[in-house]
Amino acid sequence: DTGVSQNPRHKITKRGQNVTFRCDPISEHNRLYWYRQTLGQGPEFLTYFQNEAQLEKSRLLSDRFSAERPKGSFSTLEIQRTEQGDSAMYLCASSPRGNGYEQYFGPGTRLTVT
Amino acid sequence: AQTVTQSQPEMSVQEAETVTLSCTYDTSESDYYLFWYKQPPSRQMILVIRQEAYKQQNATENRFSVNFQKAAKSFSLKISDSQLGDAAMYFCALVHDSGNTPLVFGKGTRLSVIA
Repeated sequence: DTGVSQNPRHKITKRGQNVTFRCDPISEHNRLYWYRQTLGQGPEFLTYFQNEAQLEKSRLLSDRFSAERPKGSFSTLEIQRTEQGDSAMYLCASSPRGNGYEQYFGPGTRLTVT
Repeated sequence: AQTVTQSQPEMSVQEAETVTLSCTYDTSESDYYLFWYKQPPSRQMILVIRQEAYKQQNATENRFSVNFQKAAKSFSLKISDSQLGDAAMYFCALVHDSGNTPLVFGKGTRLSVIA
């Protein structure tokens, strides 16, 4: 069990560019969550998957954001036409089948939009 | 809607002393879980302790314990014999029992440990 991994750990991009982050959950965890954490705040929910199905999306997830989880394994979060307000830590978490309340977090991807 | 409130943005404690971090919450559900997560600087979030709402007994994990007051919707974390490694952001979080909802976090309390 290697834990939840996220890549890249840091991303600096210019406003207007597209970025994509990857999350690899703990093996056999069927649920995967994306959260966003801005400086001085707690994580805020963005979206979550059960297997490959995206079950819920927050109103924070604008049209510029899209997430996928093909084959129910790793997940990607893409932000198109980045804005300075997108600068944040993007956290991924996964939970095992039957224990959706036990979420294990990855190290996060810190995005800086210049 | 569920809300979690942490009213102490910052706390400090002397090494080896005891500190209590406060958390209040609001939910219309009767079955839920409460958590305290620790986020050290530039490191990932880790679960410190979990409390099931249906359990009256307060959870304990080594030096960490909670005071769960369901009627008051209060969930405080007590850290005994504080260590330098306890310095971190601490987040209180809530999830419904179904697990079909995401975690709702408070804004966090930054704990400093003074040697």
